[in-house]
Amino acid sequence: QSALTQPASVSGSPGQSITISCTGTSSDVGSYNYISWYQQHPGKAPKLMIYEVSNRPSGVPDRFSGSKSGNTASLTITGLQAEDEADYYCRSYTTSSTFVFGTGTKVTVL
Amino acid sequence: EVQLVESGGGLVQPGGSLRLSCTASGFTFGDYWMHWIRQDPGKGLVWVSRINGDGSRISYADSVKGRFTISRDNAKNTLYLQMNSLRAEDTGVYYCARGIRGRYGNDYWGQGTLVTVSS
Repeated sequence: QSALTQPASVSGSPGQSITISCTGTSSDVGSYNYISWYQQHPGKAPKLMIYEVSNRPSGVPDRFSGSKSGNTASLTITGLQAEDEADYYCRSYTTSSTFVFGTGTKVTVL
Repeated sequence: EVQLVESGGGLVQPGGSLRLSCTASGFTFGDYWMHWIRQDPGKGLVWVSRINGDGSRISYADSVKGRFTISRDNAKNTLYLQMNSLRAEDTGVYYCARGIRGRYGNDYWGQGTLVTVSS
């Protein structure tokens, strides 16, 4: 199972909006709405930001939102803040009853 | 408070074995799917395996199938990963993570334990 494709880096100024894409295939992203997104700060464990495409766990700011179209899922951060600078990973369930992560995106707040 | 604490990592030679443990607290352990996820050094996340609440449903990534075994002891609130025939590419930080009840996503993660496979 190949990793889902994410841009290596995305940047934006405080207050701006950015979108991170996550491209898979019809065997993973395109088959299920079981996409989750994780934020990871250096030296820390990942943190769940979005599950099942667009659901936010309690405590996650509503400036984080998710969507999906075909084989591509997206995470959008509106009103970018300094603390959003981190690595972000998408993950999808697959038709093999396994999971696959994305390659990861480093978000830089300029 | 939900807590997951991994242990058992260390340095092992290629071909060797290691057993990781993840001790859970703060929730009814047997009600949740549990996952193992690896982070390659300085790189991304790799899903390894998962097990359902009563241990009857298990799946593995192709890269570890036949070498790794996931299991759980609900009486001890502990998740395990038995790793055999270890390879250099198995090196990384291993996290255990809880599955959201009835949904797809991992809402709580441990701090990770480092496994290094090297001669």
